[in-house]
Amino acid sequence: DTEVTQTPKHLVMGMTNKKSLKCEQHMGHRAMYWYKQKAKKPPELMFVYSYEKLSINESVPSRFSPECPNSSLLNLHLHALQPEDSALYLCASSQGTTNATVGYTFGSGTRLTVV
Amino acid sequence: GEDVEQSLFLSVREGDSSVINCTYTDSSSTYLYWYKQEPGAGLQLLTYIFSNMDMKQDQRLTVLLNKKDKHLSLRIADTQTGDSAIYFCAEKIKAAGNKLTFGGGTRVLVKP
Repeated sequence: DTEVTQTPKHLVMGMTNKKSLKCEQHMGHRAMYWYKQKAKKPPELMFVYSYEKLSINESVPSRFSPECPNSSLLNLHLHALQPEDSALYLCASSQGTTNATVGYTFGSGTRLTVV
Repeated sequence: GEDVEQSLFLSVREGDSSVINCTYTDSSSTYLYWYKQEPGAGLQLLTYIFSNMDMKQDQRLTVLLNKKDKHLSLRIADTQTGDSAIYFCAEKIKAAGNKLTFGGGTRVLVKP
């Protein structure tokens, strides 16, 4: 298995809802990432987990709450989002976070619309 | 700094070669990457080059790295309509905790 699987593919939620995005990989990768991508823009890093511990939080608002239950799973819990949070949310994984790590594998993303 | 810059758009005829350019600013980059993103999809890693290399060839793809000028290019030979997509260059910066920083993306349109 050489894929990163993200669910759901599409999500529409109201500003008072609570929802979660899920990401799964079975490549034995020990680093997992959340990126946010607005239309016609590059992906922007949100969070990095290394060996199931949060290692980087790029000053993301607390309405986004990441969770790494085990080395294969990464969740992003969403609460009280704003319409400007609508974007494509991409999960990625890599073998590690050292400079020896070569590639990141990206999932297909969850397209989130906040109404 | 962590700026990675690319031109916005490239139009090319089917069968011709495409060259996508990228400039980066951080000399502590370890790896430089090219990703492809088709509409509505995630990012697909096309190829990468280690910072101590000058060139890497992988089938139709050729990556050239000029470390002195901090310039990276991706050449796609015999461009096909399926190559129409957005191409992102990215650098992994050791000094920034090995974060992956993306350029703004180049939209490539292949005309028949």
